[in-house]
Amino acid sequence: TQLLEQSPQFLSIQEGENLTVYCNSSSVFSSLQWYRQEPGEGPVLLVTVVTGGEVKKLKRLTFQFGDARKDSSLHITAAQPGDTGLYLCAGPTDSWGKLQFGAGTQVVVTP
Amino acid sequence: GAGVSQSPSNKVTEKGKDVELRCDPISGHTALYWYRQSLGQGLEFLIYFQGNSAPDKSGLPSDRFSAERTGGSVSTLTIQRTQQEDSAVYLCASSARGHEKETQYFGPGTRLLVL
Repeated sequence: TQLLEQSPQFLSIQEGENLTVYCNSSSVFSSLQWYRQEPGEGPVLLVTVVTGGEVKKLKRLTFQFGDARKDSSLHITAAQPGDTGLYLCAGPTDSWGKLQFGAGTQVVVTP
Repeated sequence: GAGVSQSPSNKVTEKGKDVELRCDPISGHTALYWYRQSLGQGLEFLIYFQGNSAPDKSGLPSDRFSAERTGGSVSTLTIQRTQQEDSAVYLCASSARGHEKETQYFGPGTRLLVL
């Protein structure tokens, strides 16, 4: 079983601060995905990283895939209350899209 | 709307009763996935349908769980003789063809509470 461990489990910060969420595994993944889930809704895909060492930016969010494709990070610059949510990393366990998810990081950004 | 829909939104049942959860995928999507999200946990894969192929049932936790997909569209997840540990949010997702790098679009989930 390819396990994905996320840290921290919970993060509470003030608006304007920066934060980083980590996703680590002992296994190699062909790609990793990051989702954000808000209460009462399903997860929404933010980004997919596929190449070791890859860095992708989505406005104030920066995603990095480790060189060995075993880990990934999500960095949010100048967090806003709208960034509040559960951030999940996920990786495919086969070629058909069956996903293994981390337990998630709950991020709370207060004004 | 054009997204994935699930019904009911919430379901409260008594231990030992059977429940059926429904998922309507995005029109034209051939791949459909069911996941379960327990409190404080990430999503756990349950079952996967791709077109007319036999489903991948490797994630179903027990033989009380079953699912079907009729006409390559709507899917129903059935839990027989529900137990309290079945309480969770059941999420359905669909993707265009089921390739690992495709986007999976999730529905809002069904919140199941077994008393």
